[in-house]
Amino acid sequence: KNQVEQSPQSLIILEGKNCTLQCNYTVSPFSNLRWYKQDTGRGPVSLTIMTFSENTKSNGRYTATLDADTKQSSLHITASQLSDSASYICVVSAWNTDKLIFGTGTRLQVFP
Amino acid sequence: NAGVTQTPKFQVLKTGQSMTLQCAQDMNHEYMSWYRQDPGMGLRLIHYSVGAGITDQGEVPNGYNVSRSTTEDFPLRLLSAAPSQTSVYFCAARGGTNYGYTFGSGTRLTVV
Repeated sequence: KNQVEQSPQSLIILEGKNCTLQCNYTVSPFSNLRWYKQDTGRGPVSLTIMTFSENTKSNGRYTATLDADTKQSSLHITASQLSDSASYICVVSAWNTDKLIFGTGTRLQVFP
Repeated sequence: NAGVTQTPKFQVLKTGQSMTLQCAQDMNHEYMSWYRQDPGMGLRLIHYSVGAGITDQGEVPNGYNVSRSTTEDFPLRLLSAAPSQTSVYFCAARGGTNYGYTFGSGTRLTVV
């Protein structure tokens, strides 16, 4: 069964600190993996998209990594800001399909 | 350039009522989809469309209808609302397969 699991479920950090969010998937055959940021009461916004051949991709202070062999991805946030408080959702799609498999997200709270 | 626009933002329905959630995009994207987001669960696909005149069912289609008469619009119809349809609904549009999805800001629906 195609699944996407994220950890931790929630995370609290202090402003300025770094953090790493994890995503494990069992989707096969793998096509691409996306990380989204979802602010409370808003729709998800794309952070990164990685295909099979990409190991890392950055978007400002956000850096995503992908290990297609172990089927794991991580999202690293550097020098966190209060505006980083949001849910971060890992989404995987299988090859030759338009359907996405969503993780349940990690709820990040950044406190001053 | 508004991206994906959803209306209304909030709606309360009585059990058995019908209504249409509107979704419009101005990006000329062929692919559009509807998701529902429930607490503790990943977004789940309701219906999707790969172009005008073409629609298909997603993971949880029961109780919902869609149509795609134009590239821009993809309305979601609730035929006879039930409390189980209380959720936040997101419409999304996408360009090519490895492009990001643009989500609307969501419609929070409560069925009493």
